[in-house]
Amino acid sequence: EAQVTQNPRYLITVTGKKLTVTCSQNMNHEYMSWYRQDPGLGLRQIYYSMNVEVTDKGDVPEGYKVSRKEKRNFPLILESPSPNQTSLYFCASSYASVNTGELFFGEGSRLTVL
Amino acid sequence: GDSVTQMEGPVTLSEEAFLTINCTYTATGYPSLFWYVQYPGEGLQLLLKATKADDKGSNKGFEATYRKETTSFHLEKGSVQVSDSAVYFCALTKDGNKLVFGAGTILRVKS
Repeated sequence: EAQVTQNPRYLITVTGKKLTVTCSQNMNHEYMSWYRQDPGLGLRQIYYSMNVEVTDKGDVPEGYKVSRKEKRNFPLILESPSPNQTSLYFCASSYASVNTGELFFGEGSRLTVL
Repeated sequence: GDSVTQMEGPVTLSEEAFLTINCTYTATGYPSLFWYVQYPGEGLQLLLKATKADDKGSNKGFEATYRKETTSFHLEKGSVQVSDSAVYFCALTKDGNKLVFGAGTILRVKS
């Protein structure tokens, strides 16, 4: 089954404790992206990647890191989480750009930073 | 910068009612426009898209027309069902790399 898989789905952590949210897709997609969803703000793009070893900032990259060492994986790293990073996070992928290909979303990871 | 504005919700309708969710955008050039839908507890799914002016996107009884003169992409459905209850997001992209979303509109359909 074609899917985007995120882990963990739910996480409660404390300020400053490094964490990684993993994202994996099994569709051989070139493009992957991370979004955060906050009430009243919709989804905002954090980082995106057009291909292996190619990443770029979205609209809200501060406090986050990403890497794309393999085509299928695109982890999101919070080196020192803060309460303002409490949010619902979505990973998404597409076979090409979002213009030409549908964006497939994971089920989301709800992160709470205390 | 580019932005998308959607009507505030929630929108509450009875089954079989007509649905309109307004979406307007601000962007230079000729963005592509999308509607995504998020069902409870799930990620977003593409509902329909339009890539140039006057294009009409349609899917599952929903449709939206790309109106460059009014910078709008309103979502419509002639007869909603309870199963259409979800959050609807209007979005745009210009370069194919960044998708800019509106805040989302909650739709509740009562039986």
